[in-house]
Amino acid sequence: ETGVTQTPRHLVMGMTNKKSLKCEQHLGHNAMYWYKQSAKKPLELMFVYSLEERVENNSVPSRFSPECPNSSHLFLHLHTLQPEDSALYLCASSPRTSGSIDEQYFGPGTRLTVT
Amino acid sequence: GQNIDQPTEMTATEGAIVQINCTYQTSGFNGLFWYQQHAGEAPTFLSYNVLDGLEEKGRFSSFLSRSKGYSYLLLKELQMKDSASYLCAVSYDRGSTLGRLYFGRGTQLTVWP
Repeated sequence: ETGVTQTPRHLVMGMTNKKSLKCEQHLGHNAMYWYKQSAKKPLELMFVYSLEERVENNSVPSRFSPECPNSSHLFLHLHTLQPEDSALYLCASSPRTSGSIDEQYFGPGTRLTVT
Repeated sequence: GQNIDQPTEMTATEGAIVQINCTYQTSGFNGLFWYQQHAGEAPTFLSYNVLDGLEEKGRFSSFLSRSKGYSYLLLKELQMKDSASYLCAVSYDRGSTLGRLYFGRGTQLTVWP
């Protein structure tokens, strides 16, 4: 596989469930990101990891818990979500090296529906 | 964030030219990206501007004016497959968050036959 992959592609969960979203990048990048994309709203940055350290947490509720075990993998653990959390969750990676354009490469996303 | 503003919707016909504008706050500007996103798919990179002027890539060109906080994406010889959302994203230098992207809401372009 190449690029950025995400699993599952679709997820339906109840408000009391616990689930995890997985992202893997095969590009040798140093940074990984979680974004939330809701209808009619801009992409919202949730978390940024650089070299496996969380460098940004954009005021995200604690019911979303990220994990970055190594520079190629990123997880988003979900628990006790609300219906308004239904959205497309996108993972991205970027080189984050000096002297290069820090272009972000996106995965296909997980379409999450909270019932 | 950062008042990244672009039109919500645009329509055009096959073979035509369309220009999608984007304005943004200039303070701390580091670079500007354009992404294309088809419905249900990931955003894909189209172009990057950091200096004033026009960057051309085949049918797509992107222009930047740093002093005016303005960019546009120009699509020529439109094809049906160009129907998509076009996202303007700006990178700001914020110290530890160097390179963080702020996205506009996207411009939904519909190309008619």
